[in-house]
Amino acid sequence: DSGVTQTPKHLITATGQRVTLRCSPRSGDLSVYWYQQSLDQGLQFLIQYYNGEERAKGNILERFSAQQFPDLHSELNLSSLELGDSALYFCASSVSNNEQFFGPGTRLTVL
Amino acid sequence: GIQVEQSPPDLILQEGANSTLRCNFSDSVNNLQWFHQNPWGQLINLFYIPSGTKQNGRLSATTVATERYSLLYISSSQTTDSGVYFCAVDNYGQNFVFGPGTRLSVLP
Repeated sequence: DSGVTQTPKHLITATGQRVTLRCSPRSGDLSVYWYQQSLDQGLQFLIQYYNGEERAKGNILERFSAQQFPDLHSELNLSSLELGDSALYFCASSVSNNEQFFGPGTRLTVL
Repeated sequence: GIQVEQSPPDLILQEGANSTLRCNFSDSVNNLQWFHQNPWGQLINLFYIPSGTKQNGRLSATTVATERYSLLYISSSQTTDSGVYFCAVDNYGQNFVFGPGTRLSVLP
């Protein structure tokens, strides 16, 4: 157990819908990262937050957004969902820009 | 951006065999990690090793930062070692980039 929690574990929804994925980092970690793992793209970095502020942005679509709250948990919002958004979404946390610890992931299926 | 390659892409072993997985990267890094993704999809930290050598039980890793590669050694492999092994690097605050992985199958 990495200490990073993600909810829900599984999510099934329809095209065009909006979903919210939640992540709680390890105690004491200020950085939260979001990643997407799909069959054709592999594991890709989406976005990083550090102590509530956006720090780095990767291949995140405009339909996706994230935020980190004062209690350091983070949410990833996915809207206008498409079939191609079906993937495993991971959250990771670290103290700063060092070793990252990954949560169990949320498996999103868009039908 | 930084490129990460892993070899071999696939590896099939008999239980008890040893193996070496390789990760090459195209630029200097300040963070390198090895992960094991098990058949249930969990990403498990194996090593945080931007340089040097570390050992943990049957697993060990070496990163030669000046030559831009890292090696993961698995000795006396077990069926529970099956899964995908990923190398990931951070290029001084740039995106954390994952390699394509090595898929390992350990047969009983």
